Amino acid sequence: ETVLTQSPVTLSLSPGETATLSCRASHSVNNFLAWYQQKPGQAPRLLIYDASNRAAGIPARFSGSGSGTDFTLTISSLEPEDFAVYYCQQRNNWPSFGGGTRVEIK
Amino acid sequence: QVQVQESGPGLVKPSETLSLTCTVSGGSISSYYWSWIRQPPGKGLEWIGYISSSGATSYNPSLKSRVTISEDTSKNQFSLKLKFVTAADTAVYYCARHVSDSSGYYLLFFDSWGQGTLVTVSS
Repeated sequence: ETVLTQSPVTLSLSPGETATLSCRASHSVNNFLAWYQQKPGQAPRLLIYDASNRAAGIPARFSGSGSGTDFTLTISSLEPEDFAVYYCQQRNNWPSFGGGTRVEIK
Repeated sequence: QVQVQESGPGLVKPSETLSLTCTVSGGSISSYYWSWIRQPPGKGLEWIGYISSSGATSYNPSLKSRVTISEDTSKNQFSLKLKFVTAADTAVYYCARHVSDSSGYYLLFFDSWGQGTLVTVSS
């Protein structure tokens, strides 16, 4: 089983700042990694897949990078609606998710 | 625009079988792959399994002995059955569609989700 570890657990930032979220895999997952955003009471929303491909309708301020075991989600110039929990997910074998990073307003 | 909606009992007794249905509108279930994913209250996400466009299935090894996913193409629905439930199976259960890439391959990522349905296991 591939374990995904996300850091930090909580990120406190102000609107307009840049958020940098990390996801580390216990084994190489090639570039088979996605990022999701989840707001309270809502289903997750796909942001990025295959490490760097933005999903349909996702703003350009969301970008993904990385390969192998280390991945990053960058949110440039945080908007008020970006404060949420973010999960990474790998598909190298059966899908598994990281524990999440909460991006909160400072 | 494909939409998915979960339905089923919100309360299941321990040792019984959890049964949920996902109804798809705006597209045929035979045109995509579909997964069930769950999220215990206040916790992270866990993939349960999928059914392919041809009806083949694949399950999370940790749940495989208790899970069955099936489809009813006449109703454009697919279903989840989880046997011998315990309190640890209490969660919001989501159905979701798999991403289809530019080559037409179905990836194990999820781009359209239902709103989720909370299932509580309690006597």
